[in-house]
Amino acid sequence: AQKITQTQPGMFVQEKEAVTLDCTYDTSDQSYGLFWYKQPSSGEMIFLIYQGSYDEQNATEGRYSLNFQKARKSANLVISASQLGDSAMYFCAMREGPGNQFYFGTGTSLTVIP
Amino acid sequence: NAGVMQNPRHLVRRRGQEARLRCSPMKGHSHVYWYRQLPEEGLKFMVYLQKENIIDESGMPKERFSAEFPKEGPSILRIQQVVRGDSAAYFCASSPPGLSGNTIYFGEGSWLTVV
Repeated sequence: AQKITQTQPGMFVQEKEAVTLDCTYDTSDQSYGLFWYKQPSSGEMIFLIYQGSYDEQNATEGRYSLNFQKARKSANLVISASQLGDSAMYFCAMREGPGNQFYFGTGTSLTVIP
Repeated sequence: NAGVMQNPRHLVRRRGQEARLRCSPMKGHSHVYWYRQLPEEGLKFMVYLQKENIIDESGMPKERFSAEFPKEGPSILRIQQVVRGDSAAYFCASSPPGLSGNTIYFGEGSWLTVV
C-alpha cells in the first residue's frame, strides 16, 4: 500500500483564490509527522509546513495551512490568496517508524492562472 | 550555516561509465536520504543512511547502485555501468536525529545525464 497518496496530478487556480491540495497517508504508528514541500521549475525542494500527529491545532505558515483530519488520515494543504509564484509541484510527505523514514507522494502540479 | 551541499550539480556520463554523486549534510545532521526523480515524476526513495550505517536501502536497485556515509566526509551515491534509464535528478536530504518537528532539508540536486 502507498504510504502517501496524492490523487490530483494537476490543479489550476485563479490568482488570489484559495486552493486545496489533497493528501492521504497510511500508517499504523501513533507518532508521525506530516510535511509539505514545494518544487518550482528550478528544481529545488522547499519545505513549507509541518504537522505532528499529536498536534491538535492545524499548522499554519503564512498563506499555507494544513487541514489535518487524523481519523480520515488526511493532511491537505490549503494555499490562500494564490500568487503566480505558487505555480510549482507540491509534494506531501510523512515521517514515521523507528528509523524515522520519510515517504513522499507523487506530487500535484499547481498552475496559478492570472 | 551552510545547507545540504550536493556535487556535482550536473554530470554527463557515457553508457557503461561510473557516476559518483556526493552529498554533505547540514552541520549537526547525522541522517542522510537519497531520492531519485525521473522527468515528470515524483520523488522515489532510494536509501537512508546514518553515519557508517545503512538504515534502509529498500529503494535501491539491486545491481549497480551503492551508497555510503562514512564517519568522515560526504555521503556518496555510486552508480556503476550507467545506462540511459539512470538519467534523472538525484536529491540528497539530511535531518538531525529525532522525530518531533524535524523536517529533512534538501540539497539542490544532481542532474545525471547518460548519453
